[in-house]
Amino acid sequence: AQSVAQPEDQVNVAEGNPLTVKCTYSVSGNPYLFWYVQYPNRGLQFLLKYITGDNLVKGSYGFEAEFNKSQTSFHLKKPSALVSDSALYFCAVRDWDSGYSTLTFGKGTMLLVSP
Amino acid sequence: ETGVTQSPTHLIKTRGQQVTLRCSSQSGHNTVSWYQQALGQGPQFIFQYYREEENGRGNFPPRFSGLQFPNYSSELNVNALELDDSALYLCASSPGQGAAYEQYFGPGTRLTVT
Repeated sequence: AQSVAQPEDQVNVAEGNPLTVKCTYSVSGNPYLFWYVQYPNRGLQFLLKYITGDNLVKGSYGFEAEFNKSQTSFHLKKPSALVSDSALYFCAVRDWDSGYSTLTFGKGTMLLVSP
Repeated sequence: ETGVTQSPTHLIKTRGQQVTLRCSSQSGHNTVSWYQQALGQGPQFIFQYYREEENGRGNFPPRFSGLQFPNYSSELNVNALELDDSALYLCASSPGQGAAYEQYFGPGTRLTVT
C-alpha cells in the first residue's frame, strides 16, 4: 500500500520569509509525487510533480520541492512567501512500479502567511 | 481551452435517496477520476475511468458507481445515501491513464445528506 504523511496541520510564516511544507511518503516501488493547492470553495490546483531526474523540482507561482529518496520526503518550498499563498496544500503519491493508478493524498497542511 | 467543470455546485439529499453528479473533462483528456473529500481530510480516490472503462477503484462500496461517455464526460452515482456520504466530490481529468500524468480538478460538488 502507498501512503503520504503531512505532519503539520498548519504552518505559519511571515510574508517575505521562506516557507517549507513537509511531506513524507511510503511506497513499495518508485514514486511519482505531486503537490496540489486548494483555495476556499475551490478544487485542487496542480503545483508541481516529481517523476524522475533532478531532485529539485520547480513548479508554478515560485514553488519548488525537493525529493529525498533516503528520507522518503518531498517537501514543498518557496524562498519568499506571499499573503496570497495562504491556502491548503496537499501532497500526493502514486506507486508506478506496482501499476497502482490511485493517487493517494495526505490530509493537507494549511499555510497561513501573515502580512 | 475549457477546464474541468462539475454540476451541480451544491446538492442537498435525504438519507436513502440516490444522487448523480456530473463532470465534463478538459478538452483532449480521456481519463477521469472521482474523489471524495470529507471535511478536514484529503481527497480519497473513488474510481477512475479510461475510455469508458473503469480501470481502478478505491475502497468504496458498490453503491458508488460511475459512467464515462464517448466524449469523456463522466457521472458519479451514489445509491442509498448515508449521512457519511456528505462531502465535497471532486472530478479530475488527465490526458492519459499513466501514473506520470498530473490530474486537473474541477471545482467540486458539495453534497449534504440529511
